[in-house]
Amino acid sequence: DAGITQSPRYKITETGRQVTLMCHQTWSHSYMFWYRQDLGHGLRLIYYSAAADITDKGEVPDGYVVSRSKTENFPLTLESATRSQTSVYFCASSVGLNEQFFGPGTRLTVL
Amino acid sequence: AQTVTQSQPEMSVQEAETVTLSCTYDTSESDYYLFWYKQPPSRQMILVIRQEAYKQQNATENRFSVNFQKAAKSFSLKISDSQLGDAAMYFCAYRSPGYGGSQGNLIFGKGTKLSVKP
Repeated sequence: DAGITQSPRYKITETGRQVTLMCHQTWSHSYMFWYRQDLGHGLRLIYYSAAADITDKGEVPDGYVVSRSKTENFPLTLESATRSQTSVYFCASSVGLNEQFFGPGTRLTVL
Repeated sequence: AQTVTQSQPEMSVQEAETVTLSCTYDTSESDYYLFWYKQPPSRQMILVIRQEAYKQQNATENRFSVNFQKAAKSFSLKISDSQLGDAAMYFCAYRSPGYGGSQGNLIFGKGTKLSVKP
């Protein structure tokens, strides 16, 4: 039972490049979420999705794009990476609105 | 908008002792859910305990228990018989019960870093 996975686990990129972080869950959970974690801020919601083809903005969506063509996948794209997007990114999923299960995180560094 | 506050950036406890982590929240809703998540150095977010606001009984999971004071909007986590493996960041989180819009999204506090001394 793989659960929820994220790839890559570590990524270094340069300012202005496009980066896509992948998230895959094997539970067929309807809800999926993307958070970023920064020192002093805890976890902040970037985007969430209630089902395939349904996505909505969270607290800090600027500079990010998401899509969800399949229930099990929820990729997060940084269209033109900036240094302020250096962070640890977590994907999560849940059955309806029950507790969320988190992936292992992706540490992204933008130089 | 709901907010979650963890006033203790760092805490320390002796192995086998008891420690309490504080969390307060602000909401105008009467029904909601509260969670404590643990994040060890591996970065994995692990659910420790959950509490439904409509339940008066405090939730308990083995050595972990909460003190839920709805009127005071307080949700503290007590760890009994602390173990070295309890060392981690602990996050308090709030969730509304409804569907649609941002309902159901988790709102996190900034975390408390717990150290356990042998």
